[in-house]
Order: sequence, then structure tokens, then C-alpha cells
Amino acid sequence: EPEVTQTPSHQVTQMGQEVILRCVPISNHLYFYWYRQILGQKVEFLVSFYNNEISEKSEIFDDQFSVERPDGSNFTLKIRSTKLEDSAMYFCASSVGRSNGYTFGSGTRLTVV
Amino acid sequence: ILNVEQSPQSLHVQEGDSTNFTCSFPSSNFYALHWYRWETAKSPEALFVMTLNGDEKKKGRISATLNTKEGYSYLYIKGSQPEDSATYLCALQGGSEKLVFGKGMKLTVNP
Repeated sequence: EPEVTQTPSHQVTQMGQEVILRCVPISNHLYFYWYRQILGQKVEFLVSFYNNEISEKSEIFDDQFSVERPDGSNFTLKIRSTKLEDSAMYFCASSVGRSNGYTFGSGTRLTVV
Repeated sequence: ILNVEQSPQSLHVQEGDSTNFTCSFPSSNFYALHWYRWETAKSPEALFVMTLNGDEKKKGRISATLNTKEGYSYLYIKGSQPEDSATYLCALQGGSEKLVFGKGMKLTVNP
């Protein structure tokens, strides 16, 4: 069964450093997403991406965050200057269409120290 | 701000018991209700996407119902097995692709 793959599975970074989280969505999916879960809290939406541009973003997704689909297969989330409160499990997901269930990756656990 | 509530937050049952849990959401601005199963150390797995009031969907021993007018969905597991142990997430999809998740319901099925 097709999978969404995320790398790395764990990343530890110093506060203020830039991190790039990588995702390979399912090849025939058209919608791509990033979500995150801070420990003990709800899974929360960050951004959705369709037709090579951001279609929606949350209040969390400020200027420190950016997404790219540089080569038609990878989908990356960049955090320019990490803060302690960015520590969370970050999930990539993709879907064929708006009315379909999402396929999630297994996540990247980001720890900012 | 959309808020999705799930109850109970956790449940411990014996193998063979049937379980049901609730997801509540604001009934306005509804597009779809998603259910996911999330096993430890794995990725959330889509169970159902429900859009129509009165909808009922089934996948093996798991089924779900939807009431969009009163703003709730029930998830049922018939004859729980240890492999059903997981966190069950519901998520509301309003007028866009964004999902608003509940906090999840952690189910533990004891053999």
C-alpha cells in the first residue's frame, strides 16, 4: 500500500537554528499538508498546499515557516529560526481530493534545545 | 474557532467487549467528519470520511454514524480485540481542506 514517508524520524536542534523536515507524499495525490502535535495537546493544522502554492495556513504558520515542493515529489517544511515551543511531532499528509481521507506519514519528532 | 470534543478521553475494556465513543462538533460550517486510528509509533490511519447527515459507515468490526444537525458522531467497535488498542481521533473538516482534530480517545483492550 502506498505510504507517505518522512525524514528524519527524530531531529534535535539548537534554538535559533534552521531545520528542514522532508516528506514524500503519495505520487498521485494532489493536496499536501503539515500538521503538528505538541506533547499532550491536540493535533493542529499548519498549512495546506495545492497546485504548487499554499492554499491555507494557520496562525501558527508565521514568517518563520515555509513550505516547498522543489522537484515534484518532495514536500518540505522549513523552520528558519527554531524556538523551544516548536518542539513537537510534525506530520506530513497527502490526499487525492478534499473529500478523501488523508494519508499521514509517521512523523518527525523535533526537539529544540 | 472550531472546537471538536471527544469522550471519553480513555477507555480500558476486556477483549470481546463492545465500545462506543463520541465526537462532538459545531454543526454550522460542516463539510466532513473524519475518523482516524493511531497506533503507537505508527502514522494515523484513515478509517472513515463522512459527509451526509444520517450516514453510517462500516469497516469490519468498526462502524460510525453521523448526525450533522446536532453535531455528533459515534464510533463503535464490536467485540474489541487487543489489536484495536490505539488512539482514535476524530477531525472536523469545515469549508476548506483543513482538519480540526479532537484530543483523541485512547482505547486499551486487555486480553
